[in-house]
Amino acid sequence: QLQVQESGPGLVKPSETLSLTCTASGGSISSDNYYWGWIRQPPGKGLEWIGSVHYSGSTYYNPSLKSRVTISVDTSKNQFSLKLTSVTAADTAAYYCARQVAAGGTYWFDPWGQGTVVTVSS
Amino acid sequence: SYELTQPPSVSVSPGQTASIPCSGDKLGHKYASWFQQKPGQSPVLVIYQDNKRPSGIPERFSGSNSGNTATLTISGTQAMDEADFYCQAWDSSTAIFGGGTKLTVL
Repeated sequence: QLQVQESGPGLVKPSETLSLTCTASGGSISSDNYYWGWIRQPPGKGLEWIGSVHYSGSTYYNPSLKSRVTISVDTSKNQFSLKLTSVTAADTAAYYCARQVAAGGTYWFDPWGQGTVVTVSS
Repeated sequence: SYELTQPPSVSVSPGQTASIPCSGDKLGHKYASWFQQKPGQSPVLVIYQDNKRPSGIPERFSGSNSGNTATLTISGTQAMDEADFYCQAWDSSTAIFGGGTKLTVL
């Protein structure tokens, strides 16, 4: 049973870069049928998709965040990573990674990691 | 930009049927997914491709999608079903989430 787990600093200073890693276990990240995504949730608010990556390195991002986001993959470590630059308090959120299944002309997110809370504060 | 709209809250009595709508322009032309999120937990997929249930999700969860509205239906609602529910669809290679609906089982 595949599991994904986020890791990274819980506190980031304003204007700096948020960096998180997601490690997959119980399955390979190198599959044509999957993308790997990042989703965030500000405190008390809803879900916002950040972007996704394929093991080939192909990426696509939420247009609202595209200028600040980079998602990359390291197949040797079965990991994918998120970098968000120039963070502000508005980037404070729980950050989730998830497998994005591709089938039947669409995608869905399953499973999700347990999430990691990132606070932007000086 | 594309938007998905959900009611902020829905209430249901135990044993009754709960319906949670999600509306968007021509949503029926897209596939909808639904996620359940209990307090302090990460979201869990309960419906994908409009009406398919992942393994381990109870049969009382079902979904439909037509016109401008996708609907999550929970038959014989139990106290354990109380949670936030989010719909999600894809538009122009962007994943869009609805604002979420808090289901209260009274």
